[in-house]
Amino acid sequence: AQSVTQPDIHITVSEGASLELRCNYSYGATPYLFWYVQSPGQGLQLLLKYFSGDTLVQGIKGFEAEFKRSQSSFNLRKPSVHWSDAAEYFCAVGGLSGGYQKVTFGTGTKLQVIP
Amino acid sequence: DAGVIQSPRHEVTEMGQEVTLRCKPISGHNSLFWYRQTMMRGLELLIYFNNNVPIDDSGMPEDRFSAKMPNASFSTLKIQPSEPRDSAVYFCASNPAGAYNEQFFGPGTRLTVL
Repeated sequence: AQSVTQPDIHITVSEGASLELRCNYSYGATPYLFWYVQSPGQGLQLLLKYFSGDTLVQGIKGFEAEFKRSQSSFNLRKPSVHWSDAAEYFCAVGGLSGGYQKVTFGTGTKLQVIP
Repeated sequence: DAGVIQSPRHEVTEMGQEVTLRCKPISGHNSLFWYRQTMMRGLELLIYFNNNVPIDDSGMPEDRFSAKMPNASFSTLKIQPSEPRDSAVYFCASNPAGAYNEQFFGPGTRLTVL
């Protein structure tokens, strides 16, 4: 069964600073990888996804993520954080489980942006 | 498109009562997912429908929980009887085809069981 770990529960960065959110996954084959964002009181929204090909993936809102097979990681990055980026970020891994597609979400990283 | 619609947005009930949460997926989407989000356990998949048929219900906590999808435009999640530990935010999500594609989430239903 696949699993995903987000080691940082809470991160605080200054507006304009760079950001990296960590994500490690466990799956026996090449996984499908996702990053979602959840603003307070709302549902999740897809930022970006990786299925195959170029390991550096561009997403919405200026985010990018890099798939590193050797490290089983899919870290999310943004060069300059804006106050509106304050939200909770979820990494997810997709794979076959019991013969059908399944996506498993991490526990999330809450991002606080300070002026 | 109105997006995924969930009702009610907030529900407060007493232990032992029946609770029914409703979801209308985006038109044309044939996969529907029910999730539960809590501080302790994060976001958990409860059940996944494809073409109105339950594909994976391994996340349904116990027999008190049941989900139905009588047609392509409506699904319900029922808890009977409800317990305080069921208090959580319940999300419904849909997508055009399969779990690997982008899931479109509704705004959630915040359930409080007293």
